[in-house]
Amino acid sequence: AQKVTQAQTEISVVEKEDVTLDCVYETRDTTYYLFWYKQPPSGELVFLIRRNSFDEQNEISGRYSWNFQKSTSSFNFTITASQVVDSAVYFCALSDPYSGGGADGLTFGKGTHLIIQP
Amino acid sequence: DSGVTQTPKHLITATGQRVTLRCSPRSGDLSVYWYQQSLDQGLQFLIQYYNGEERAKGNILERFSAQQFPDLHSELNLSSLELGDSALYFCASSVESGASTDTQYFGPGTRLTVL
Repeated sequence: AQKVTQAQTEISVVEKEDVTLDCVYETRDTTYYLFWYKQPPSGELVFLIRRNSFDEQNEISGRYSWNFQKSTSSFNFTITASQVVDSAVYFCALSDPYSGGGADGLTFGKGTHLIIQP
Repeated sequence: DSGVTQTPKHLITATGQRVTLRCSPRSGDLSVYWYQQSLDQGLQFLIQYYNGEERAKGNILERFSAQQFPDLHSELNLSSLELGDSALYFCASSVESGASTDTQYFGPGTRLTVL
């Protein structure tokens, strides 16, 4: 069965520190997609990245970077030089609709609450 | 702003009642997904529609139902409401093939409170 684990329930750092949010997933399939979403205090879910299982290249977007390691089933998210505006809950999600028997929606982790202190 | 709209933003009702949540997808998107976010269950997939047809079902209760209309907006109907149905309900839409592997863009959510 699909599963996404975000073991860090809450992380608190001081502004300008780098921080890494961990995501470990489980799937029986070789074809799947991984996502990260941000949920700021206002409540909406903001899309950050989508990555397919065949693309293991790391991705960088400004201060954000993602490390996909298929060997350890991890898709970690790093924020460099964190800012107060990065404070939010971050969700990792998995989609593997090809394995059959499961629902065809995103499977989300429980989220990591990131607090950036000024 | 994702381009997905949801109404109402907040809804307060009593146990046993029925409510309807509405979602308009981004222009051009054919797929609509519904999710429930609660403190104990987290974010859970409920149901997906693609171009008017039900495509996939997740952890949706029998008391809940949904539909997608010809103009592609969708409604989620919740009936015989219980206290445990209090949650944030999200709608998401995607444009591509209609598979859940597509990027889903989420609306702002409807916060349902059942008293």
